[in-house]
Amino acid sequence: NAGVTQTPKFRILKIGQSMTLQCTQDMNHNYMYWYRQDPGMGLKLIYYSVGAGITDKGEVPNGYNVSRSTTEDFPLRLELAAPSQTSVYFCASSPRSHQGRANTEAFFGQGTRLTVV
Amino acid sequence: GENVEQHPSTLSVQEGDSAVIKCTYSDSASNYFPWYKQELGKRPQLIIDIRSNVGEKKDQRIAVTLNKTAKHFSLHITETQPEDSAVYFCAASKANDKIIFGKGTRLHILP
Repeated sequence: NAGVTQTPKFRILKIGQSMTLQCTQDMNHNYMYWYRQDPGMGLKLIYYSVGAGITDKGEVPNGYNVSRSTTEDFPLRLELAAPSQTSVYFCASSPRSHQGRANTEAFFGQGTRLTVV
Repeated sequence: GENVEQHPSTLSVQEGDSAVIKCTYSDSASNYFPWYKQELGKRPQLIIDIRSNVGEKKDQRIAVTLNKTAKHFSLHITETQPEDSAVYFCAASKANDKIIFGKGTRLHILP
């Protein structure tokens, strides 16, 4: 298993450009997440999905969009890049818990370092 | 929704001493509490987790304690080593819900 794979690893965007950060997992996990991590800071949840066709906003969704057409893929779209979106973006996935039982470990991709200039 | 507070934000300890990081959570329905370690430039990785039916769990030099009544849990690292230097995140979640992370603690192991 490759686990959680993110592409690209690095990207420089100009203000106003758009791009899609790709995330795919081969563990058949129901849950997928997008986080951003600013330098020296914690993980902020952008969007998450509990399964194909279902997405929901996290703490900082403005300026981003997501879709979940398959279990495996959870792309993150930036429509009009702004300098405030300069960050490291992590995608993660975790399996669904059995009803009433606790969740389990989330697995992270290697991250995408995005710079908006 | 769930809110996870983590303290301290930075911690420096002498090599060989113990380190303790504390977290509190707000949602009494949360029942899963993982801890992640993130080395510089790397992705967060799970180091230990605890579920609400257990009060303490230990794995070699790492232990986690959970107090459900007070809604707080802690990470204990004993006999710290240079390779323990990293950022540590606590998190909380409940069944079929998203994981919420604390803001992280930067741990420095001093020679």
